[in-house]
Amino acid sequence: SQKIEQNSEALNIQEGKTATLTCNYTNYSPAYLQWYRQDPGRGPVFLLLIRENEKEKRKERLKVTFDTTLKQSLFHITASQPADSATYLCALVRTGANNLFFGTGTRLTVIP
Amino acid sequence: GAGVSQSPSNKVTEKGKDVELRCDPISGHTALYWYRQSLGQGLEFLIYFQGNSAPDKSGLPSDRFSAERTGGSVSTLTIQRTQQEDSAVYLCASSLDGREIHEQYFGPGTRLTVT
Repeated sequence: SQKIEQNSEALNIQEGKTATLTCNYTNYSPAYLQWYRQDPGRGPVFLLLIRENEKEKRKERLKVTFDTTLKQSLFHITASQPADSATYLCALVRTGANNLFFGTGTRLTVIP
Repeated sequence: GAGVSQSPSNKVTEKGKDVELRCDPISGHTALYWYRQSLGQGLEFLIYFQGNSAPDKSGLPSDRFSAERTGGSVSTLTIQRTQQEDSAVYLCASSLDGREIHEQYFGPGTRLTVT
């Protein structure tokens, strides 16, 4: 069956360090992958999108990589801040489909 | 401009009752999506509307669930004869055009509790 796994439910890191979140998928042929941030009681907010033919995308302190051979995406937040504390969701769109398939998310806590 | 809005923000209903959840997408967005987020679970796709095309209903969990989108704008998700397992946060999202690669903009969700 199709599956999207995010490496851990929760991740704690020290302020200033780089947070690395992992998204692994099986039995998909994704056209592209997106990362969203979700704060408690709110809907997800789009952060970054990476296409299947792209290896890396950056936006300010954020970086996403996409390895279709390993079936994995890594999401990095450099110089992390307490305000980065949230749940981060990866989502795939399969080739030929229109809707997003989401992972269960990783709850990141940045400790001051 | 205004984002995606949903109403009500919270809904408590008794098992067996019908409920209607409303979504107002961003003006000009032709694609509208409904998702469900249960406690400890990821977002689960329910239904997708693109313009005036027939919706993609492949994610609806049972025939008790239905949705409409009137005039290509506002959408209503209806759950008939609610069950306790329907308790979840129902999220609506819209995007500029679902046939192209665009990010989705989510509303704040409706938290449904079935007692």
